[in-house]
Amino acid sequence: SAVISQKPSRDICQRGTSLTIQCQVDSQVTMMFWYRQQPGQSLTLIATANQGSEATYESGFVIDKFPISRPNLTFSTLTVSNMSPEDSSIYLCSVEEVEGRGYTFGSGTRLTVV
Amino acid sequence: KQEVTQIPAALSVPEGENLVLNCSFTDSAIYNLQWFRQDPGKGLTSLLLIQSSQREQTSGRLNASLDKSSGRSTLYIAASQPGDSATYLCAVMGGSNYKLTFGKGTLLTVNP
Repeated sequence: SAVISQKPSRDICQRGTSLTIQCQVDSQVTMMFWYRQQPGQSLTLIATANQGSEATYESGFVIDKFPISRPNLTFSTLTVSNMSPEDSSIYLCSVEEVEGRGYTFGSGTRLTVV
Repeated sequence: KQEVTQIPAALSVPEGENLVLNCSFTDSAIYNLQWFRQDPGKGLTSLLLIQSSQREQTSGRLNASLDKSSGRSTLYIAASQPGDSATYLCAVMGGSNYKLTFGKGTLLTVNP
């Protein structure tokens, strides 16, 4: 299965600033997915990132707040912009394995906004 | 809209006990169902994947079953160990939108 390296693993940030999270995959993948997990909640899909095109955002998430880059088939970044304490969550990237073999997730970024 | 429910929300058992975690989903038109483990503050580790055409999958002490028609899956853990303590998440890939829908998880504590 794919191996995903996600950075940073955790960060404490001041409100009003931005944080960029990186995910590097050890194989080429068509789509990468970004999720948010708020405290005590399950995972919510933020957006789907395809190489060479704009990301597709889910209802309730906008590009100005969560800009995504996908410069090639092995790398993607998610930026959390103009942060507020409500953005404190775990953010995870994910890829779909080939031939319908399920999904693999990165190790997550635990973000605390103070 | 697909909804996934996991019962119980939390479970505490003594070491060595066999246990069952439950997952139900409202739309039976799924491609597959995946069970994950999440340690506190960490990412997800895939445990088992069941395709819609399959009834069960096994890996070591874990066995997952799927009854697509009734919208149910169970994760059976045999001879539980303290190292099994984690949150277990069930996720289904829907037939209409190819997206993963997660349950809220079951927090398992195995006491030595």
